[in-house]
This record gives sequence, structure tokens and C-alpha cells, in this order.
Amino acid sequence: SQTIHQWPATLVQPVGSPLSLECTVEGTSNPNLYWYRQAAGRGLQLLFYSVGIGQISSEVPQNLSASRPQDRQFILSSKKLLLSDSGFYLCAWRFFWRGVYEQYFGPGTRLTVT
Amino acid sequence: QKEVEQDPGPLSVPEGAIVSLNCTYSNSAFQYFMWYRQYSRKGPELLMYTYSSGNKEDGRFTAQVDKSSKYISLFIRDSQPSDSATYLCAMSGVNDYKLSFGAGTTVTVRA
Repeated sequence: SQTIHQWPATLVQPVGSPLSLECTVEGTSNPNLYWYRQAAGRGLQLLFYSVGIGQISSEVPQNLSASRPQDRQFILSSKKLLLSDSGFYLCAWRFFWRGVYEQYFGPGTRLTVT
Repeated sequence: QKEVEQDPGPLSVPEGAIVSLNCTYSNSAFQYFMWYRQYSRKGPELLMYTYSSGNKEDGRFTAQVDKSSKYISLFIRDSQPSDSATYLCAMSGVNDYKLSFGAGTTVTVRA
């Protein structure tokens, strides 16, 4: 079966500090991978997606970057965090199965920038 | 105008009631339609998906798609307190790499 992992689960970081969030998936190969942010009381905002190793598409110009060093690993980074980077960060993967695309989310990382 | 519109609620119903959730969309190319359930402080979980028009039933949950009206629905029968969550609709075209999401509707089922 397929599983998606995210860590850490919770993070409190000061403004101006760096960030690295990691996402890994198991049980599949060459998935499409996504990073979303969900601010308190708001919808899902797509930040980045990747269709393969080293292939990153950015949806929103901002203080964040993403990398995909391995097929099943997706990393979200920042060199200097802003207060506005606080939120719930979700990794997701999408694959074609039984004639339809299915997308699943990880457990998320709750980031508070102080 | 947003590509996907969803009433944010909140929606509060007594236990046992039918919950009705809806989304409208503007992109006629959408073919895949999904509903996610998100409990507080958790990642969304895929609840139902349908391809093109029609109905799909899974236990107490029924998803409906009306492409002529660009309207999708999720019905929860015999609602339980454990159904209290935020429900998000999502959709995409056949060749889209990404989903378009509604803002989510928060549902509370009162015991």
C-alpha cells in the first residue's frame, strides 16, 4: 500500500530562520508530488508541484522554494522565514489508478513563525 | 470569480439528519470530481471521487455530478458526530496536473 510521510509534525521557528520540511512517499514510483499551504480558516493554496526528479513548478512567487532530489522525496525550504509563512503545510501525491487520478495528502506540518 | 465555489458554512445539523454539501464550478473541461474530509489539525482524506457525470454511492455517502449545470453535491445520510469535519470539493480536467479546490464547508453534527 502507498503511504506518505511528513516531518516534523509541528515546528515553531523565529522570523528570519531557515526552514526545511520533508515529505516522502512509499509504495509507488514516479508520483506527481505537491506542496500546499493552508492558513488558519482558509482554503488550500498550491505552492509547488513536481512531475519528476528535479522538475519543480512554482504556483505562487514567495519566500519558499522546493526540491525533489529523489523520486519519492519532496522538500520545502526557505532561507529566511516571514511571519506570513505560518500555516499548515501539506504534501500530497497523485497517481493514475484504475482509470482515474487519485490524490492523497500527508498528515501535515504545522508551522508557527514567531 | 473563483474557478470553484463552495459555501464555507458553517453547517450545524442534529445527529441522524442528511447533510447536503455543494460546489459549483466554471471550467467545463473538468472531468474528475472529488470530495475530501478534513478533521481539525489533520490532512485531508479522500472520501469520494467520480469521473464525469452521474452518481456514486459508498455507504452513507453519495456523490452527484451534474456537468450540464456545473454542480456537484455530496450527501451524508444518517449523520453522526464523527462526521463533524470540513469537507472540501476538488476537481480537474483529464490532463491537468493539479486539482482546483473549493474553500471547504465546516460541518458540525450535534449529538
